Amino acid sequence: DTEVTQTPKHLVMGMTNKKSLKCEQHMGHRAMYWYKQKAKKPPELMFVYSYEKLSINESVPSRFSPECPNSSLLNLHLHALQPEDSALYLCASSQDLTGAARSGNTIYFGEGSWLTVV
Amino acid sequence: AQKVTQAQTEISVVEKEDVTLDCVYETRDTTYYLFWYKQPPSGELVFLIRRNSFDEQNEISGRYSWNFQKSTSSFNFTITASQVVDSAVYFCALSDWGNAGKSTFGDGTTLTVKP
Repeated sequence: DTEVTQTPKHLVMGMTNKKSLKCEQHMGHRAMYWYKQKAKKPPELMFVYSYEKLSINESVPSRFSPECPNSSLLNLHLHALQPEDSALYLCASSQDLTGAARSGNTIYFGEGSWLTVV
Repeated sequence: AQKVTQAQTEISVVEKEDVTLDCVYETRDTTYYLFWYKQPPSGELVFLIRRNSFDEQNEISGRYSWNFQKSTSSFNFTITASQVVDSAVYFCALSDWGNAGKSTFGDGTTLTVKP
């Protein structure tokens, strides 16, 4: 079982809806990530949080709004999405962002949330 | 800029065959990480291995083995005696030393193992 939990697993939303994707980990990790993955494509990084602060925003449209309320939770708020935003959204976490040589800095991914925008 | 190339888009083998997935990367960094991930149809990305750029030792884990050759910028992955459960998309990824989470992924190789 994955140690990164994402809810909901499936979400269908209209273009005028407001919804949120949630991600939770209890491994004490201080870096958390959102990735977007279209069918038959590799994951694309969207946001990175480090110690609850936004560290990287990969020029993501403002209709996607991340939030990290505490070290265990990461949300992705969705508003006024387009059909082309339909994808698998993956959350991930790691101990931190540094490239230290210790072996523990593995990145763990959740099972993802399948989003369909209609 | 970093780039990862997985030249094999799809591979199909029969159970118990050995199969090698190729990965070639480009980076100007002298220190970096390389990864392999497995993505079954359920969607979850499963971490398989991380390799530091200064550690060129090959690694074996059960039926899996990895061959890292810095001289040719390759990090190939071999599954020995493949099983149906190995069917998945496999991604090779590269990240810089300072940010293991900001990875550049290859396009993936879809492996189908037939019984």
